[in-house]
Amino acid sequence: DVKVTQSSRYLVKRTGEKVFLECVQDMDHENMFWYRQDPGLGLRLIYFSYDVKMKEKGDIPEGYSVSREKKERFSLILESASTNQTSMYLCASSLYGGGDIQYFGAGTRLSVL
Amino acid sequence: QKEVEQNSGPLSVPEGAIASLNCTYSDRGSQSFFWYRQYSGKSPELIMFIYSNGDKEDGRFTAQLNKASQYVSLLIRDSQPSDSATYLCAPKRRNTPLVFGKGTRLSVIA
Repeated sequence: DVKVTQSSRYLVKRTGEKVFLECVQDMDHENMFWYRQDPGLGLRLIYFSYDVKMKEKGDIPEGYSVSREKKERFSLILESASTNQTSMYLCASSLYGGGDIQYFGAGTRLSVL
Repeated sequence: QKEVEQNSGPLSVPEGAIASLNCTYSDRGSQSFFWYRQYSGKSPELIMFIYSNGDKEDGRFTAQLNKASQYVSLLIRDSQPSDSATYLCAPKRRNTPLVFGKGTRLSVIA
């Protein structure tokens, strides 16, 4: 079974803090994705990566950056957390191209106070 | 026109009934379609995918695709309270990330 592991289920941070959300997959997938999910807005793609050290902006990249130094790990960085970044963050991975089946981690619910 | 449209619901059906969930999409280049189920507080999980016109059945679930009408649906027969969840539709396009609909919330009443 594919396993996508997000480092934290719940996180509480203060405005202005630098926040790291970590995601690791164990199936040697090429592609990894970060989404945020908010009520009424659905899943929105923040960033994705098709290969190590490679990244592409999704639909809502402002205020976020990412890092992919190793194939299995994809990190989402909030450079200076703001209250409007309070959300559920979901990491996903897929084996083939971006349009392939995506497997999701359990999610990190981030609260920025 | 939004890329993927789903009725947000809630769609309420009695236990044992057929639940019908619908999805329309705008990109005629979409090759196939995924249905994900998301329980409250959990992450989405894949339950079905369909790539050709017609029906695909898997247990109590049937996906129906009509590419000419740009319409895909998910039928759940003999609905159970455990089917209560949000169902997300996602068209697959070549080499671009999936775009998910906002989902339809299904409530199966015992």
